[in-house]
Amino acid sequence: AQTVTQSQPEMSVQEAETVTLSCTYDTSESDYYLFWYKQPPSRQMILVIRQEAYKQQNATENRFSVNFQKAAKSFSLKISDSQLGDAAMYFCAYRSGTGANNLFFGTGTRLTVIP
Amino acid sequence: AAGVIQSPRHLIKEKRETATLKCYPIPRHDTVYWYQQGPGQDPQFLISFYEKMQSDKGSIPDRFSAQQFSDYHSELNMSSLELGDSALYFCASSLFGVRRNEQFFGPGTRLTVL
Repeated sequence: AQTVTQSQPEMSVQEAETVTLSCTYDTSESDYYLFWYKQPPSRQMILVIRQEAYKQQNATENRFSVNFQKAAKSFSLKISDSQLGDAAMYFCAYRSGTGANNLFFGTGTRLTVIP
Repeated sequence: AAGVIQSPRHLIKEKRETATLKCYPIPRHDTVYWYQQGPGQDPQFLISFYEKMQSDKGSIPDRFSAQQFSDYHSELNMSSLELGDSALYFCASSLFGVRRNEQFFGPGTRLTVL
């Protein structure tokens, strides 16, 4: 079974600084997708960024980028120029590319942005 | 753009009562997923439907059932409610084959069991 591990329950960052959230996963599949979701206090699940396992290039979405290390099964999220609105719970998630389409989530990292 | 709609947004029930949660996917989306997020926990997959047929099943209790209707909306029926069922229930939808089935989440239904 797929497992997703986020070893940092809480992180904090100064406004305008950069922070990296860690995620590791375990799978025997070669085709899969990885995601970072943001859950602000409103509890809405917001997709931040996605990475296809077959792509070697790391995904980037504005201030958000990932460091995808397939061999190490590592998928970290870097937030640059942190803003107060980035404060939220961040979940790393895995989805199979060939099997069931449901998402497997990590336990989350709560990010605090310090003004 | 239209998003996933869930109703009700908040629901309070007593133990042993029943509850029905509804999900209206994004127009043209054919797949619906249900997730349960307990307090301080990550979302856990319950069940999914594709073209009105159950496609995958996760950790859904036997007391719960769900279906997808001809208009693609879905309902999660929960019976004999327990205190531990108090959680945020998310519905997500996707369109098969589009962006490799990317899921879009609704705002969730917060269920409180007293």
